[in-house]
Amino acid sequence: KAGVTQTPRYLIKTRGQQVTLSCSPISGHRSVSWYQQTPGQGLQFLFEYFSETQRNKGNFPGRFSGRQFSNSRSEMNVSTLELGDSALYLCASSLVATGGAGYGYTFGSGTRLTVV
Amino acid sequence: AQTVTQSQPEMSVQEAETVTLSCTYDTSESDYYLFWYKQPPSRQMILVIRQEAYKQQNATENRFSVNFQKAAKSFSLKISDSQLGDAAMYFCAYRSPYNNNDMRFGAGTRLTVKP
Repeated sequence: KAGVTQTPRYLIKTRGQQVTLSCSPISGHRSVSWYQQTPGQGLQFLFEYFSETQRNKGNFPGRFSGRQFSNSRSEMNVSTLELGDSALYLCASSLVATGGAGYGYTFGSGTRLTVV
Repeated sequence: AQTVTQSQPEMSVQEAETVTLSCTYDTSESDYYLFWYKQPPSRQMILVIRQEAYKQQNATENRFSVNFQKAAKSFSLKISDSQLGDAAMYFCAYRSPYNNNDMRFGAGTRLTVKP
């Protein structure tokens, strides 16, 4: 059974550019969550998608957005990149969203974004 | 809002010995789930063990066990017979079963295993 796949693994972008990261969840998982991980702030919740709808959103500016497709694959987009956006972006899938919190997440290996 | 605190930024243990990683959390909810995740240098977060708050029995997964103290809001992870492959960052996490049930993580504990 394939795991959660995130592409690309590494990315270097320039300030002001935009970036799109991709996440393919485990087959059958309909919930996809995104986290930003930095040494200073730790793991911070960005947003969760379930059945193509954003269910939850963390405290991030509007430059951070996402979407989910009918096959549950998800993308997140960051526009007008800032140096502080440099981080490891982790995607996690779970079997269900509301009501299934006990299942926990299965994480991908992340995308390391560096903004220069 | 729920918060998770890991007060030990770093821990070390001798191979084959036992180590306990601490975690406390703050919540007003009576029903919730707690998790320990391991993040090795490969970066992928791996679920180590989970605990349901309504279950009094402590969860166990092979060499990994937890000490869940609901009244004290404490959820420590014990690793027995530590192995070199256990070296990683360990994150404690809380998840509510209700609306806005995103997973909240602690800051992590870096575990070093000495041969």
